[in-house]
This record gives sequence, C-alpha cells and structure tokens, in this order.
Amino acid sequence: QVQLVESGGGVVQPGRSLRLSCAASGFTFSGYAMHWVRQAPGKGLEWVAVISYDGINKYYADSVKGRFTISRDNSKNTVNLQMNSLRAEDTAVYYCAKDQGTTISGMDVWGQGTAVTVSS
Amino acid sequence: QSVLTQAPSPSGTPGQRVTISCSGSSSNIGTNYVYWYQQLPGTAPKLLIYRNNQRPSGVPDRFSGSKSGTSASLAISGLRSEDEADYYCAAWDDSLSGWVFGGGTKLTVL
Repeated sequence: QVQLVESGGGVVQPGRSLRLSCAASGFTFSGYAMHWVRQAPGKGLEWVAVISYDGINKYYADSVKGRFTISRDNSKNTVNLQMNSLRAEDTAVYYCAKDQGTTISGMDVWGQGTAVTVSS
Repeated sequence: QSVLTQAPSPSGTPGQRVTISCSGSSSNIGTNYVYWYQQLPGTAPKLLIYRNNQRPSGVPDRFSGSKSGTSASLAISGLRSEDEADYYCAAWDDSLSGWVFGGGTKLTVL
C-alpha cells in the first residue's frame, strides 16, 4: 500500500535551517507530483509547496517563498523540504502528501507528519 | 484569514444529515476542482472527496460533494459518532498559483 514517512523535524532556533524528508513506497513515485502541507498547533491546514513528477515545476505558498525549497530524488523515492531563515510562525506539523496525478491534481495520500518547533 | 471560507461548526445527532459549505472565488472554486479532507483528532488528513463529487474507494457513500459556481458543499447523511472530525475544503487557485484550504469545520456529533 502507499506509504509516506516524514523525518527531519525537531526544535530549531529562529533564523536557522532544517531539512525535512519524506520517504515514499507502494507506488511509482516518479509518476506523481508531491506536496508539503503544514498545520500549526491548534490551527487549520496550510499548503506549503508542490513539485511536479519530474521535478521541473515547483510552486510555493507566499508565506514560504524565497525561504523554503522543495526537491525530489526519483532514484531514492524521496521528496525534501529545505527550510531556511525559520521563523516562530513556521512552527507546525509538516505533512508530506502524494498528488493524484503527474501534474498538480490534488493530494490523495498523506504521511503522519513530522513536528517542527522554531524557538529560542 | 483563509482564501476559502467555511461556515461555522455544525452539529448533528446520529442518523441526521449535515452539510458543510465552502465559499471561494472565480480563481479557485469557480474554475478548479474542489477537494474535501477529513481529519480525525490526532491523525493526518484523509481524502474524502476529489474532483468536486468523486469518492475514493473505501469512503462510504454517506459522504457526497457538490459544487455550484464559486461554492461547494460536503454532505454527510446517516451521521455517526465516528464522523466527529475536522473537515477541510481545498482547491487550486489560479491567481496565487498555489493550493488554498478552507479554515476547517469542526463537526460535532451530539
């Protein structure tokens, strides 16, 4: 079955960097776009970024544009989120999610999430 | 402030039918598909409805989605206690070139 496992979360000081990873299995990873979505404590879902199946097209939420970078390695079935210049408001559970299609169709399967806390 | 607006939290008793609404604009719901997600307490979101009204395999037909103009709705019939969860709508926004979510609706089953 489709499985997504996030890793890399933790506590980090404001202004520092963190890299999240998501390991995918159970489907042809190179055939699907992948997303990162976050949820601040007690808040709703906020879409962060998406990368197309071939890694060529990338889109970001305005709140992270210029600070976060999404990438993927189709040989390793992983998608990453490099987060720089972290702020307190980036504190959230970060979910990796598989898209339904090769372009950007919508999230269908989600991982269990990894928690990021930005605090001094 | 979310781009998609979801109505305040509804409640219902077992067996009832409830509707959750989601309002957007011409750049998102008006021109793109709507997705609905269910998030049970302490768990990751789960896809409930895709492409406005399609159910993934395994989702009971008690759940149905619809869209009209710049608004969408999720209906749950035969309400059960296990339906108590947060529900989110989502759509691609052409103006933002990104996905937008509603603020979420917490459904309470009395």
